Amino acid sequence: LAKTTQPISMDSYEGQEVNITCSHNNIATNDYITWYQQFPSQGPRFIIQGYKTKVTNEVASLFIPADRKSSTLSLPRVSLSDTAVYYCLSSFSGGYNKLIFGAGTRLAVHP
Amino acid sequence: SAVISQKPSRDICQRGTSLTIQCQVDSQVTMMFWYRQQPGQSLTLIATANQGSEATYESGFVIDKFPISRPNLTFSTLTVSNMSPEDSSIYLCSVGQSNNSPLHFGNGTRLTVT
Repeated sequence: LAKTTQPISMDSYEGQEVNITCSHNNIATNDYITWYQQFPSQGPRFIIQGYKTKVTNEVASLFIPADRKSSTLSLPRVSLSDTAVYYCLSSFSGGYNKLIFGAGTRLAVHP
Repeated sequence: SAVISQKPSRDICQRGTSLTIQCQVDSQVTMMFWYRQQPGQSLTLIATANQGSEATYESGFVIDKFPISRPNLTFSTLTVSNMSPEDSSIYLCSVGQSNNSPLHFGNGTRLTVT
């Protein structure tokens, strides 16, 4: 499973767009990129998953360039409730869904 | 997505004792995993719970310390045996429906060993 690298922490303000970039230089052909959000005292919550190009849902967008060596999670117009830890993971699609978590990015949204 | 219930949600235990954590899912799932998350840290995979057979453990985790059962496709247990304060952590159950679907997590069991 490819190792992912992302910033340890980020700060933002309410109403801003936040982009969190993740590096996965050794991503395998069958790997998907998956992002999770975790609040204190809760389990991680699935945000978005993609293989390449752009994926958008009601919560976020995920941009993956053609070489797939990085990806960017975009959170539009963040609010205080988006303060959380965000994890970027690569997951093997062909066999099983075992996920290996990196350190994550601690996002703090300020008023 | 599947609804995952973990019991207990928290517990305080004495060293040397054992605690069994239950994970119940409201639908049949293909994959079940157990993770550990120490305070302020990321998640570490303990093992894959295999239905009807022995669990598959990750490096650093052994069956004698963390026995796991998975009698059917909706239920699993993780036991933390002969506990020490170093076992104080949050233990999380996660489930997956198919190979291409994302995993979903329970809210965890917060264990404190005194």
